[in-house]
Amino acid sequence: ETGVTQTPRHLVMGMTNKKSLKCEQHLGHNAMYWYKQSAKKPLELMFVYSLEERVENNSVPSRFSPECPNSSHLFLHLHTLQPEDSALYLCASSLQRLEAEQYFGPGTRLTVT
Amino acid sequence: EDQVTQSPEALRLQEGESSSLNCSYTVSGLRGLFWYRQDPGKGPEFLFTLYSAGEEKEKERLKATLTKKESFLHITAPKPEDSATYLCAVLENYGGATNKLIFGTGTLLAVQP
Repeated sequence: ETGVTQTPRHLVMGMTNKKSLKCEQHLGHNAMYWYKQSAKKPLELMFVYSLEERVENNSVPSRFSPECPNSSHLFLHLHTLQPEDSALYLCASSLQRLEAEQYFGPGTRLTVT
Repeated sequence: EDQVTQSPEALRLQEGESSSLNCSYTVSGLRGLFWYRQDPGKGPEFLFTLYSAGEEKEKERLKATLTKKESFLHITAPKPEDSATYLCAVLENYGGATNKLIFGTGTLLAVQP
């Protein structure tokens, strides 16, 4: 596998479920990101990790919980989500923190019912 | 309020009909402006980085330019495979080592054969 991969590609979950999104980068980058993309809205940066340390949390509700066990893997743990959380969740990586040459994964299309 | 505005929201061109997409921004400490291409069901793909007014970058039929207030993505003789959403993002410095990446909502380009 090359680049940035994300699993699952599609997820439907109820409001009381707990699920996790996974991201893996094979580029040797030091920074990883979670973004939320909703229709007609700009990409929203949710979390930034640099060398496995969370360096940014953009006022994201606590029902979203990130985890970065090493520089290649990033998780987004989800629990008690709301229907308005339905969106495309994108993972990205870059060589250094907040360099704009970011490489994105294909995203997870999340639907909360 | 810091803002990135892209126009038009959608653009339909005939194959071979050249045009330009606009990205205007109102930020105080610009560190760079970036263009991405996003195909349906995929994550954004990095195209260009521009750092200073007057800078230009080219790739195949695409050419990006930057002024102090806006950037243009010129598409020369487009082909149907150029159809995608084009995203603009601005990296802004908040002082010291604190940067923030702000995305526009994108321009949906459709090139008809």
